Amino acid sequence: QKEVEQDPGPLSVPEGAIVSLNCTYSNSAFQYFMWYRQYSRKGPELLMYTYSSGNKEDGRFTAQVDKSSKYISLFIRDSQPSDSATYLCAMRAGNMLTFGGGTRLMVKP
Amino acid sequence: GAVVSQHPSWVICKSGTSVKIECRSLDFQATTMFWYRQFPKQSLMLMATSNEGSKATYEQGVEKDKFLINHASLTLSTLTVTSAHPEDSSFYICSARTREGGSTEAFFGQGTRLTVV
Repeated sequence: QKEVEQDPGPLSVPEGAIVSLNCTYSNSAFQYFMWYRQYSRKGPELLMYTYSSGNKEDGRFTAQVDKSSKYISLFIRDSQPSDSATYLCAMRAGNMLTFGGGTRLMVKP
Repeated sequence: GAVVSQHPSWVICKSGTSVKIECRSLDFQATTMFWYRQFPKQSLMLMATSNEGSKATYEQGVEKDKFLINHASLTLSTLTVTSAHPEDSSFYICSARTREGGSTEAFFGQGTRLTVV
């Protein structure tokens, strides 16, 4: 079993929809939780960074962490075609950053 | 956010030659830099971790003599793929860690697409 599980998708939604991306993990030592967006042939771009359980909002993006369930989510409101990318969750325990496999999102106009 | 510059963005080389990829943190000092490899439609696989002035720590299965990492300063790390072969063709990405509020975040370079012919 992988330490971090993420549905690879692809997830296809119409423009304006609310998108929900999720990751589950098994390592209780993970303390920091991140979401990255990666466009094709580009490096990952940090979107959200959270430490504690609960919600963190930044514009159209909301990151949610539930440590008791070992479950994190990224919500995208009013999705745009420019949001089409691969979204990677990542988690840190100490010096080690572990990535999920990434979910490919396609937002159709 | 902090900027990490990776160069070149793409390179084509002949089999048997060596290729050097640079990773620079432009507006912060990176205590630690990471090198990843990413195959198409797959996630990032950590190759090695390097701290300034120290030898890199390689992940299991990564050949130290083939993937040479030099972290000469707090703003520069290099990855050299020696005696490259077609199976080394991949997308290589570096990241650098900065500190914010006592915690750490990692920012990524743009990636380097290596094609060995």
